[in-house]
Amino acid sequence: QITLKESGPTLVKPTQTLTLTCTFSGFSLSTSGVGVGWIRQPPGKALEWLALIYWNDDKRYSPSLKSRLTITKDTSKNQVVLTMTNMDPVDTATYYCAHRLRGDDSFDYWGQGTLVTVSS
Amino acid sequence: AIRITQSPSSLSASTGDRVTITCRASQGISSYLAWYQQKPGKAPKLLIYAASTLQSGVPSRFSGSGSGTDFTLTISCLQSEDFATYYCQQYYSYPQLTFGGGTKVEIK
Repeated sequence: QITLKESGPTLVKPTQTLTLTCTFSGFSLSTSGVGVGWIRQPPGKALEWLALIYWNDDKRYSPSLKSRLTITKDTSKNQVVLTMTNMDPVDTATYYCAHRLRGDDSFDYWGQGTLVTVSS
Repeated sequence: AIRITQSPSSLSASTGDRVTITCRASQGISSYLAWYQQKPGKAPKLLIYAASTLQSGVPSRFSGSGSGTDFTLTISCLQSEDFATYYCQQYYSYPQLTFGGGTKVEIK
């Protein structure tokens, strides 16, 4: 049974760096074909893909946010960490982590999401 | 960058109706398209991947079709639990993955 859960601050100030952790179970990020992605959703708006890390440590980033994002994995802890620098109020959103469907870049299991508010 | 245009942005339908939602890509994406359902306050749920493959456990009233630039999600007989927002996602373009703007299916 695959589960994922996001954790991190609920409130950050403008210009600060956001660090979110996705802790998962039911799969290993050292297994060929496995990947974990981050997707966010501002209140009342559409989904936006942010980043994806694969079992082989290959990483993909949204081109529009690439300069601000870093995704890493800790296979021993079953965690994926996303950092986003220089936070702005427009980054207020629910942030989800999700398991990549093997052989495909859609997402078949999602965490519950965590709402991050950017405000001074 | 590949743009995804999803239409309509919202629709009203009744239980039992056949509903069709469309996604159009700005350039060909082969069959690298997925569909998701999202209910308020919940995470999205994968319905279909590779344009037409039904995810395990998803009712057969959901179907997907298309390739290249034009794709369709069809709900053959709308049920009360299907009122939700639906998103498409392309994953052809490296490195970018792109979601459509969403279609909210409301009760008429």
